[in-house]
Amino acid sequence: DAGVIQSPRHEVTEMGQEVTLRCKPISGHNSLFWYRQTMMRGLELLIYFNNNVPIDDSGMPEDRFSAKMPNASFSTLKIQPSEPRDSAVYFCASSSYLDTDTQYFGPGTRLTVL
Amino acid sequence: AQSVSQHNHHVILSEAASLELGCNYSYGGTVNLFWYVQYPGQHLQLLLKYFSGDPLVKGIKGFEAEFIKSKFSFNLRKPSVQWSDTAEYFCAVDPSNDYKLSFGAGTTVTVRA
Repeated sequence: DAGVIQSPRHEVTEMGQEVTLRCKPISGHNSLFWYRQTMMRGLELLIYFNNNVPIDDSGMPEDRFSAKMPNASFSTLKIQPSEPRDSAVYFCASSSYLDTDTQYFGPGTRLTVL
Repeated sequence: AQSVSQHNHHVILSEAASLELGCNYSYGGTVNLFWYVQYPGQHLQLLLKYFSGDPLVKGIKGFEAEFIKSKFSFNLRKPSVQWSDTAEYFCAVDPSNDYKLSFGAGTTVTVRA
């Protein structure tokens, strides 16, 4: 199994630009989670989907952030417009209905907003 | 605010030393508890988890954790560390059994050969 795949692994952009992060969950998994990791705030859950439906987006910091899951094998996290304080590592994780409590994490996308 | 606290930010050990990392949480009721590890340059991996039953949980790579309900703690232990245990360790809590994990700040463990 390829595991959770995230792209890009690194992204450097300028303030005001749109950023799109991508995630492919493990095949057969029905839950998907987006996390953000910063030195100041640690690992924070941004949003999670179950069966492609957003269940809880209370962790999304503001309207500049949006996430979609158009099908079971793909999700995006978009920041528009980006700001320097969005610089962080963004992780995607997925879990299966057979083992809902174990989340499998992707390698993360390191985002730098200049 | 409800939270997950990891007591040590950075721990430095020599090989063969024993390791114990503290984790306390402030959520009431029944919680699910996890320890994740992030090796340098790698993604987060599950070390072990506790839902119910025996409060002493054994995980991968010789790690174990003990749930002490009265102390709201879930400390991670390994009797003899190896250089390859150098990593960042995260305690996580699912306070509502709804798969939303709250993570501690993490503890960086450096094992010197």
